Amino acid sequence: AQSVTQLDSHVSVSEGTPVLLRCNYSSSYSPSLFWYVQHPNKGLQLLLKYTSAATLVKGINGFEAEFKKSETSFHLTKPSAHMSDAAEYFCVVSDTGTYKYIFGTGTRLKVLA
Amino acid sequence: NAGVTQTPKFQVLKTGQSMTLQCAQDMNHEYMSWYRQDPGMGLRLIHYSVGAGITDQGEVPNGYNVSRSTTEDFPLRLLSAAPSQTSVYFCASRPGTDNTGELFFGEGSRLTVL
Repeated sequence: AQSVTQLDSHVSVSEGTPVLLRCNYSSSYSPSLFWYVQHPNKGLQLLLKYTSAATLVKGINGFEAEFKKSETSFHLTKPSAHMSDAAEYFCVVSDTGTYKYIFGTGTRLKVLA
Repeated sequence: NAGVTQTPKFQVLKTGQSMTLQCAQDMNHEYMSWYRQDPGMGLRLIHYSVGAGITDQGEVPNGYNVSRSTTEDFPLRLLSAAPSQTSVYFCASRPGTDNTGELFFGEGSRLTVL
């Protein structure tokens, strides 16, 4: 069965410092993994996705994530936070052969000036 | 290119009333789905469809009905609204039927049930 755990519900960083949002997953088969961002009162936008190609995935706005099968992790990072990165971030898993995407409970990122 | 369009954006209902949330996409996507978003719970799948005439249940289907008569439209019906259905609802679609495709989301419909 699929599941996703986002290890932090809230993360605060100062502008210009690195961002780390943590995600662990459980999957029975070969998963596809995604990170989505949601700005206040908006829909969700894809940041990046892993679909069994390169384990280090680069996304939009300078974000990247590394798929680590041995650790069942897919953490999201960015070298330098910007004020516009303040939003809620969701880690998502989908198993091969299923039609279901399972969302984590979200991490709210706050960026301090 | 409109993408995924949801209507209405806001709705207030009384307990026991029925209503339909509309979702339309103009990208010719086979897969469409409905989620509800509640604080601290992420997004939970209500129903999904892999093509016209084919629907299936997600994690939280009780109290909701769907149908898919065309590729473009996937309405979500609340049969008898309850306060527990107060939530933000998102429609999402994707091309194809494999799990590697990204979901494209609408802007959401905020529903309050009194």
